[in-house]
Amino acid sequence: QQQVRQSPQSLTVWEGETAILNCSYEDSTFNYFPWYQQFPGEGPALLISIRSVSDKKEDGRFTIFFNKREKKLSLHITDSQPGDSATYFCAASDNVLYFGSGTKLTVEP
Amino acid sequence: AQTIHQWPVAEIKAVGSPLSLGCTIKGKSSPNLYWYWQATGGTLQQLFYSITVGQVESVVQLNLSASRPKDDQFILSTEKLLLSHSGFYLCAWSPRDIYAEQFFGPGTRLTVL
Repeated sequence: QQQVRQSPQSLTVWEGETAILNCSYEDSTFNYFPWYQQFPGEGPALLISIRSVSDKKEDGRFTIFFNKREKKLSLHITDSQPGDSATYFCAASDNVLYFGSGTKLTVEP
Repeated sequence: AQTIHQWPVAEIKAVGSPLSLGCTIKGKSSPNLYWYWQATGGTLQQLFYSITVGQVESVVQLNLSASRPKDDQFILSTEKLLLSHSGFYLCAWSPRDIYAEQFFGPGTRLTVL
C-alpha cells in the first residue's frame, strides 16, 4: 500500500503564478513531513518541512499547508520562477521516511 | 558544514559483473546513513540504513548488500548485477537520533547493460 500520494504528476504554470502541489498520506502516526526539490541528475534537496503539531509553515515563497484531520498537505510556491522547474517530492515519517511519486513542475517564462 | 560525497559519479556495467558504490560524509560525527534507489523518473526507495559502524539494516531485498566500515563511510555492493539494478543510487545522512531529517548526496548513475 502506497503510504504517500502526490498529485498532480506534472504541473505547468506561468512565471509569477502560484503553483500548488498536493500530498496525502495513509498512516496517522506520521508526524514529520518534508518536501524535497530535485533537479535532473542531482540528489534531492530538503526544501521545507512541517511537523504535525503545526498547520502552516512558511519559508520565503514556499508554504506548506497541513490538514491533520484529512491527512493532507500542500506545497504552495508563490511568484513561481523558471528556476523552480524541478521535481518535488513529498515525504512522511514517523521514523522511516516514505516518499511520494513526485510532481514535476515546469514554470514557463 | 557537512559534506557528502558519492563515488563514482556514474558507472556502466555488464550484467553479472560486481559493483561497489561508496559514500563519505564529512563534518558530522556518528551520523545515521542511508542508501536509496531511484528509477528514472521514479520515487525514492530506501534500501539500507545504518546507525553505527558495523551495523546495517536492510529495508528491501534487491540482491544488494551494504556495509559501514568506518563512521563516515557507507558502501553498497553486489557480486552480480542485474538489469533491474539500473538507476540512480543516493546516499543520505541524518543527525543521530533524528531519523527523518535526511540530507542527500549527489548520487551515482548506474547503467547495467
